[in-house]
Amino acid sequence: EAQVTQNPRYLITVTGKKLTVTCSQNMNHEYMSWYRQDPGLGLRQIYYSMNVEVTDKGDVPEGYKVSRKEKRNFPLILESPSPNQTSLYFCASSPLRQGNSPLHFGNGTRLTVT
Amino acid sequence: SQQGEEDPQALSIQEGENATMNCSYKTSINNLQWYRQNSGRGLVHLILIRSNEREKHSGRLRVTLDTSKKSSSLLITASRAADTASYFCATDRGTGFQKLVFGTGTRLLVSP
Repeated sequence: EAQVTQNPRYLITVTGKKLTVTCSQNMNHEYMSWYRQDPGLGLRQIYYSMNVEVTDKGDVPEGYKVSRKEKRNFPLILESPSPNQTSLYFCASSPLRQGNSPLHFGNGTRLTVT
Repeated sequence: SQQGEEDPQALSIQEGENATMNCSYKTSINNLQWYRQNSGRGLVHLILIRSNEREKHSGRLRVTLDTSKKSSSLLITASRAADTASYFCATDRGTGFQKLVFGTGTRLLVSP
């Protein structure tokens, strides 16, 4: 089944404790992206990647890192999480056809930083 | 900054009625997409309309696009309880799909 898989589904952590949220897709998509969703703010893009070893900042990249060493994986790293990073996170992927490719989303990771 | 803004924020209707949601955006676009989200789950793509198209249909969905007004509407006809979800528009800001910008969404409740 074609899908985008995020893990974990729920994560509760403390301020400053490094964490990684994994994202993997099995559709051979070149493009992958991370979004965070907060009440009243919709989805905001954190980082995106056009292909292996090619990443770029989205609208809210502060406090986050990503890497794209393999085509299928695009982990989101929080080196020192803070309470304002408590949010619902989504990974998405798409084939690299400009202007006509819908995004395929994972089921989300709900992160709570205390 | 938010590119798309949906209106209304919330909509409550009865099964069988039509639901209309609107999206306004600020910059020129190549295309506009609509997504659906069920209660905290991942978004699901519904329909994409290009900037040179004015109307598009997919099953019970009808999307219109008015680039002169920088607005789009999503019409769901003969709604069902299963249509209860949040609906988001997303635009590419004219730079290509890689920096899709989502609106804040319309919460639709369809009562049996």
